Amino acid sequence: AQKITQTQPGMFVQEKEAVTLDCTYDTSDPSYGLFWYKQPSSGEMIFLIYQGSYDQQNATEGRYSLNFQKARKSANLVISASQLGDSAMYFCAMRWGGGNKLTFGTGTQLKVEL
Amino acid sequence: DAGITQSPRHKVTETGTPVTLRCHQTENHRYMYWYRQDPGHGLRLIHYSYGVKDTDKGEVSDGYSVSRSKTEDFLLTLESATSSQTSVYFCAIKGNRTEAFFGQGTRLTVV
Repeated sequence: AQKITQTQPGMFVQEKEAVTLDCTYDTSDPSYGLFWYKQPSSGEMIFLIYQGSYDQQNATEGRYSLNFQKARKSANLVISASQLGDSAMYFCAMRWGGGNKLTFGTGTQLKVEL
Repeated sequence: DAGITQSPRHKVTETGTPVTLRCHQTENHRYMYWYRQDPGHGLRLIHYSYGVKDTDKGEVSDGYSVSRSKTEDFLLTLESATSSQTSVYFCAIKGNRTEAFFGQGTRLTVV
């Protein structure tokens, strides 16, 4: 069965510092995709970054990068130069199967401090 | 803006009453999804659709039904609402690339 695990319920980081949010996954399917979403207090789900299981290089999108370690089944999100506006809930998700379904982790609440 | 509209945005209903939530998209995408979000559980898939009249169950489908008679609309129905169905419901579509885009959510309270 497919499973996503986020072991950090809450994280704190100081403004301008980098932070890593952990995500591990479990699947027997060789083809899958990994996603990170941000959910601010206003509630909307904002897509951040995507990594395909066959992608050779780690994905990057501006200040976001995905540290993809396939053998360890981990897909950690790295946010560089944290900003106050990065304070939010962050969800890791995995796409699998023919229906393009997404399975989500339980989320990590990130708080950026001055 | 992926053109997804959920209605209503907020609803309070009584136990035992039927409730229908609507998801409308303007992008003509094939795949549509309904998720619920509860503290400690992340988002869990209720049902999804891969085309008009083509739907399938997700991991928490008990007590829910869906219909998709037009590409643009995906309806989620709670036949007889229960307090355990109090949640925030998100509709999503799979875009032309890889990511899923989400609606703004519907907060449903069953009293």
